Order: sequence, then structure tokens, then C-alpha cells
Amino acid sequence: GNSVTQMEGPVTLSEEAFLTINCTYTATGYPSLFWYVQYPGEGLQLLLKATKADDKGSNKGFEATYRKETTSFHLEKGSVQVSDSAVYFCALGKAAGNKLTFGGGTRVLVKP
Amino acid sequence: GAVVSQHPSWVICKSGTSVKIECRSLDFQATTMFWYRQFPKQSLMLMATSNEGSKATYEQGVEKDKFLINHASLTLSTLTVTSAHPEDSSFYICSAPDLAGTDTQYFGPGTRLTVL
Repeated sequence: GNSVTQMEGPVTLSEEAFLTINCTYTATGYPSLFWYVQYPGEGLQLLLKATKADDKGSNKGFEATYRKETTSFHLEKGSVQVSDSAVYFCALGKAAGNKLTFGGGTRVLVKP
Repeated sequence: GAVVSQHPSWVICKSGTSVKIECRSLDFQATTMFWYRQFPKQSLMLMATSNEGSKATYEQGVEKDKFLINHASLTLSTLTVTSAHPEDSSFYICSAPDLAGTDTQYFGPGTRLTVL
């Protein structure tokens, strides 16, 4: 079956530091890959996505590239802000409108 | 963007009672909605797929008689936790996919259930 594995947190960083959150997946076929973010007290929001190999998703300074050869979709941001403190979830979906399989989530805390 | 709401945002109930959680798509229609459960500091676990006008599809290990799902209209799905027990205490989240045919899903803010 499908599965998503992401690095455990919490990850604590100073402002302007570089952030990487690793995500690898197992799936048959060619899933779409997503990063969702959950800010404190809020629901999940789509951060970025990629629908095929070598696609790069980007939003709000975050980037992730769909690597089929390594089955990975690592999230990166070059300079984090305190407002980036949140829980980040990597997920995969097999088709439009289909259910998502989530990774365990990574809590990120950015200190001033 | 599309908005999904949940009501209530939090609820406390006594053991043995039933609790109903509503999930609404506010500005779009959703023939399908998903219900997730999130344990503290853990990921989302898909419980079931709610289908408008037909029976819900439950994931393996989820008791359909305990977690009743009704998708009565194109904008409303309800999850009823029947005969709730303390181990049912959790954060319940719904989502609805974008009907435009993309693979985007919109998530509700979640409902925190505490069973005493």
C-alpha cells in the first residue's frame, strides 16, 4: 500500500536559518505529492504540490522537487521566519479528488 | 479559495453519549468528503470517505456502527460518534476535494472531542 515517511521533529531553528524536511514515499504508479502546513490552532492548508516526476512545487519561499528515482519530496526554505513555525505534513494522492496518505508530520519551531 | 467549516470547533461530552460533528463546504459543492482523525502530535489517519447520496466507505479497522457518517447534501457531511468513550477523544478533521478536477483538497479547521 501507499505510505509516506517524513523526518520526526521537533525541528528548532533560528530565524533566517535554512530548513529542510525530508519526505520519502512508497506508492504504485505515479502519485501526486503535497506538502500541507498546519499553523497553531488552524486547519491544514496546502503549501505546495507536484504532480509528476521532476516537477518543482513552490510557494511562500518553500520548494520541493518530485524525485521519482529516490521516491522523495523534500521540503526546503532558504531563510525561515518566526511565522513559519507550524507542523508540516508530506502527503501523496493517487488521483484527482482521491484520498490522501499523510506522513507523520514535522513540527518546526523558529526562534527569533 | 474554497472554504470548509466544521462545527463545533470543540466539544466535551460524557461517556456513553453521542456527538455529531458537521462539515460544510461553504462556497462549493462536494460530492465526496473525507473524515480524518488526528491524535496528539501524530499524523492524520483517514477514517472514511463520505459520499453524497450513498453509503460512506470506511477504512480498515474503523467501526462503521460507532462512527456514523451521513452526506445528506452537496455541502454537508456529518460524523456522529456514538456511545463515545474516553478513547474516542481526538481531533477530527474533514476535507473536501476540488470539484474542478484538480487534486487539491480543502480542509476544515477540525473539531476537538473530549470524552469524560
